[in-house]
Amino acid sequence: QVQLQESGPGLVKASQTLSLTCAVSGGSVNGGDHYWTWIRQPPGKGLEWIGYIYYSGGNIYYNPSLKSRVTISVDASKNQFSLKLTSVTAADTAVYYCARGLWSINTAYFQHWGQGTLVSVSS
Amino acid sequence: SYVMTQPPSVSVAPGQTATITCGGINIGRKSVHWYQQKPGQAPVLVVYDDSDRPSGIPERFSGSNSGNTATLTISRVEAGDEAEYYCQVWDSDSDNVFGPGTRVTVL
Repeated sequence: QVQLQESGPGLVKASQTLSLTCAVSGGSVNGGDHYWTWIRQPPGKGLEWIGYIYYSGGNIYYNPSLKSRVTISVDASKNQFSLKLTSVTAADTAVYYCARGLWSINTAYFQHWGQGTLVSVSS
Repeated sequence: SYVMTQPPSVSVAPGQTATITCGGINIGRKSVHWYQQKPGQAPVLVVYDDSDRPSGIPERFSGSNSGNTATLTISRVEAGDEAEYYCQVWDSDSDNVFGPGTRVTVL
């Protein structure tokens, strides 16, 4: 059973870069038809897909509303993937989840999730 | 971008049936996935591809999708089903989109 664990600073200053890592165990980022995904949830609000990387195929997809500030990458040697979000503001304060997605016919869904990590942006 | 609507809340007595809707233009042409999220926990996939259940999800959870409405049905509701439920679709313009969520309260 695959497990995912987010790690990174819980506090980031406004205008700086948020960086998180997701360690994967029980599976490889380097195999299978999986989409390594970041999703976030502001306190008391709903879920927002940030983006994912299909490492096997070399494809990366980002939420259009965040695309100019987001980078998702994979470190296969460490079996982990990462998120960088630049120029953060208070609106980026959220619980950030990493997840493993699966592509089906004209759709994707997220079966395995990390526990989430709260990142707060301070002014 | 593709927009979905969900009722903010649904209340149901134990043992009864909860029906959670997810509305969207021609959503019946898309595959809809449903997630359950309990307070302080990560979401859990309960239905995918409109009506399939991941292993370990009780048969009490079922889904359907037609026209402009997808539905998650929870039969024989238990206290442990109290949670927020989100629908999710993939759209060619918006990529992945989540609905706003429905809070299910067990009376």
